[in-house]
Formats: sequence, C-alpha cells, structure tokens
Amino acid sequence: LAKTTQPISMDSYEGQEVNITCSHNNIATNDYITWYQQFPSQGPRFIIQGYKTKVTNEVASLFIPADRKSSTLSLPRVSLSDTAVYYCLVGGYGGSQGNLIFGKGTKLSVKP
Amino acid sequence: GAGVSQSPRYKVTKRGQDVALRCDPISGHVSLYWYRQALGQGPEFLTYFNYEAQQDKSGLPNDRFSAERPEGSISTLTIQRTEQRDSAMYRCASSLAPRTYEQYFGPGTRLTVT
Repeated sequence: LAKTTQPISMDSYEGQEVNITCSHNNIATNDYITWYQQFPSQGPRFIIQGYKTKVTNEVASLFIPADRKSSTLSLPRVSLSDTAVYYCLVGGYGGSQGNLIFGKGTKLSVKP
Repeated sequence: GAGVSQSPRYKVTKRGQDVALRCDPISGHVSLYWYRQALGQGPEFLTYFNYEAQQDKSGLPNDRFSAERPEGSISTLTIQRTEQRDSAMYRCASSLAPRTYEQYFGPGTRLTVT
C-alpha cells in the first residue's frame, strides 16, 4: 500500500473552510484514495473516496490533481461538531486483501 | 437501519483469563473485520472474514488471539491467557462487499487487563 503523509493536527474556527492535504507519492495506478473521520469515543466513519479530479458528497469534497501524488479533503463551513481525527488511506480498489491501514491521522480542532 | 454492534462495550479482566469479544455486523454484509486501536493511534488490522471463511489473519499478534465467524454473521474474537499489553479498544467493522475500503465500524469493546 502507498504510504501517506498528513499533518498531525490543524486548528480552525467555526464557519471556515478546512482543507486537509495528504501526500501519497507512491500511489499505484489502481489505487483509490479514501478518507475516514473519527469522533472521540466512536469508530471511524467512511466519508469519501475518489480516484481522480473531484468528488463531492453531502459531507465533503475530495480534490485529486492529475498526478495523483496528493489529495485534499475539503470541509465547507466547519462547525464545532467537525472536531475529529481525519485519516487518509490509499489502496487498490477492492482493498489490499480487505484490511485498511490507518496512520495517525490529522486531528482537527474547531474553535468557536 | 441497525449498525454494527459489539459486546461487551467494556471488559475488565485479570491477567491470565480468557476473554471473548462479540461482533454483530450489519445484516447482509459479506465481510467482517477486526481491528485494535491504541490511544492516539489509528486502528490496526487484526483479521477479516468473507462469509464464514477467514481470509487474512496476518494481523493477529500471536497464537493467543483467534477469531471465528461460523455462520457468516456474528463473529467472536477470543484472547486466551490475557496479558496487560492486550489492553486496548477492539473494533469490528463490516462491509457489503469483499475487498472494499468502505467499511462500517462498530462502537468497539474497551478491554482492560489488570
């Protein structure tokens, strides 16, 4: 699986747009990029997945440049409830034998 | 609909005792996964099943750990002769299809070995 690098922590204020960038220089041709969100005391929650260009759902947008060596998770107008750890994962579509490999993630703190 | 459930939510046991952790996946989900999560870290893969077949157990730390899913639904993770280093949050996840990154996690079982 491609190794990922993302910031350990980020701070933001309510109402701001937050962009979390993940580097994955060794991404393979058939790898997808997936982001999970984990609130304190809860299990991780799948939020978005993409292969190239831009993907948007009701929670977030995912921007992937043409070279796919990085990706940016964009959270519009964050609120206090978006305070969580965000994990970037990269792997072949269909998973690498099924197991997810999480790093330490990015701890996002949203302040009033 | 009902999500992934795990029981017990908290388990305190003495060193040397065996424990069994239960996972009830989302109905109809083919695949079931077990992870372990230490404080401040992301979940660490242990093992996974497609239906009743254990596909990968490469993440199990040693032979004290075992898992089963005999009827392709509920799964049990068993830790024999528990040690203090086994203390962690144990999480179960399920997915509709095999080999997918879209997995649904349960609330976890907090295991404390004293």
